[in-house]
Amino acid sequence: DARVTQTPRHKVTEMGQEVTMRCQPILGHNTVFWYRQTMMQGLELLAYFRNRAPLDDSGMPKDRFSAEMPDATLATLKIQPSEPRDSAVYFCASGLIHGDTQYFGPGTRLTVL
Amino acid sequence: SQKIEQNSEALNIQEGKTATLTCNYTNYSPAYLQWYRQDPGRGPVFLLLIRENEKEKRKERLKVTFDTTLKQSLFHITASQPADSATYLCARVDAGTYKYIFGTGTRLKVLA
Repeated sequence: DARVTQTPRHKVTEMGQEVTMRCQPILGHNTVFWYRQTMMQGLELLAYFRNRAPLDDSGMPKDRFSAEMPDATLATLKIQPSEPRDSAVYFCASGLIHGDTQYFGPGTRLTVL
Repeated sequence: SQKIEQNSEALNIQEGKTATLTCNYTNYSPAYLQWYRQDPGRGPVFLLLIRENEKEKRKERLKVTFDTTLKQSLFHITASQPADSATYLCARVDAGTYKYIFGTGTRLKVLA
């Protein structure tokens, strides 16, 4: 049963620290999405990749967030420096180009104190 | 910019009744709309997709409609069960970009 995996599942850090979240997409999937979910804003698209190339990261605060896909089996989302307003659940999802759906990971719950 | 609006108020219904959730979009019609289910502490799970040129789609007790005139999709769960209690998210996907924009979701509670 193929699944998207994310690490860590929970992260508590202090303001100003660097945070790195990792995602392993489903093998064979060629699109990867990063989302942030909060009660107020819901699920917001931060960035997405197609065949490892970043297609759109307009939803991401550029000064502190960065997203990369060093290889087809790993996507990373980095926040540096982190701020309390970054506290949220971050989801990674993967799918196929022109596919009908995307598959979500379990999320990383980030708390920035 | 494209938006998706869902009723943010929770919907409580009695077991056995039909639950109807609404999703409204702005501007031009998306290539398709999707519905997801999300349980607490978990990622969304895909349920159904309906394309712009389709009026209705069904899957077991689920039915989705797409009205391009009203710019609206309705999601129905017939013979609802307490196990259907969850948050349901609507997403639009635009042709070409295949970029997903989600609504904030509607929390459904089915009372036994």
